[in-house]
Amino acid sequence: KNQVEQSPQSLIILEGKNCTLQCNYTVSPFSNLRWYKQDTGRGPVSLTIMTFSENTKSNGRYTATLDADTKQSSLHITASQLSDSASYICVVQPRRGSQGNLIFGKGTKLSVKP
Amino acid sequence: DAGVIQSPRHEVTEMGQEVTLRCKPISGHNSLFWYRQTMMRGLELLIYFNNNVPIDDSGMPEDRFSAKMPNASFSTLKIQPSEPRDSAVYFCASSSTGAGTGELFFGEGSRLTVL
Repeated sequence: KNQVEQSPQSLIILEGKNCTLQCNYTVSPFSNLRWYKQDTGRGPVSLTIMTFSENTKSNGRYTATLDADTKQSSLHITASQLSDSASYICVVQPRRGSQGNLIFGKGTKLSVKP
Repeated sequence: DAGVIQSPRHEVTEMGQEVTLRCKPISGHNSLFWYRQTMMRGLELLIYFNNNVPIDDSGMPEDRFSAKMPNASFSTLKIQPSEPRDSAVYFCASSSTGAGTGELFFGEGSRLTVL
């Protein structure tokens, strides 16, 4: 069964610190892997999209990595800010599928404290 | 661009009442998706349209749920009759490439509470 598992479920860090969120998936073959940020009470917003042939992509202080061999991805946040407090959702699109077949993780809730 | 626009943002209703959620996709996008988000199950696809045509409605929970897209700039999700277990946040999203790797843009969601 195609699944996307994220860890940890929640995380609290101090402002200015770095953190790494994990995503393990069983989807194979896959077309791309995405990370979304969802602020409380808002809709998800895309951070990065990596195809199966890419192994890293950055968006400002956010860097996503992908290891297709181990079926793992991570999202690294550098020098965290209070505004980084949000849920981060990992999403995988199977190779033989459209965007209607996206498989969502349940997210990691990050709290950044002053 | 104004982004994906959803209404209402919040809806509180009583069990058995009809609920209609509305969505205006980003102009020029040809794919529209309805999702439901709960704490327990995360984001789940209910239905998606490509060029106003429903492509996959296998995620629609039961016959009480229906969705329409009468034109490229408007879609509705209707629940009739509503039940307390329908309480969730419903998101609409649009994309310019339904079958590709294009970015998915979400609205701000409609939070539904059924008492």
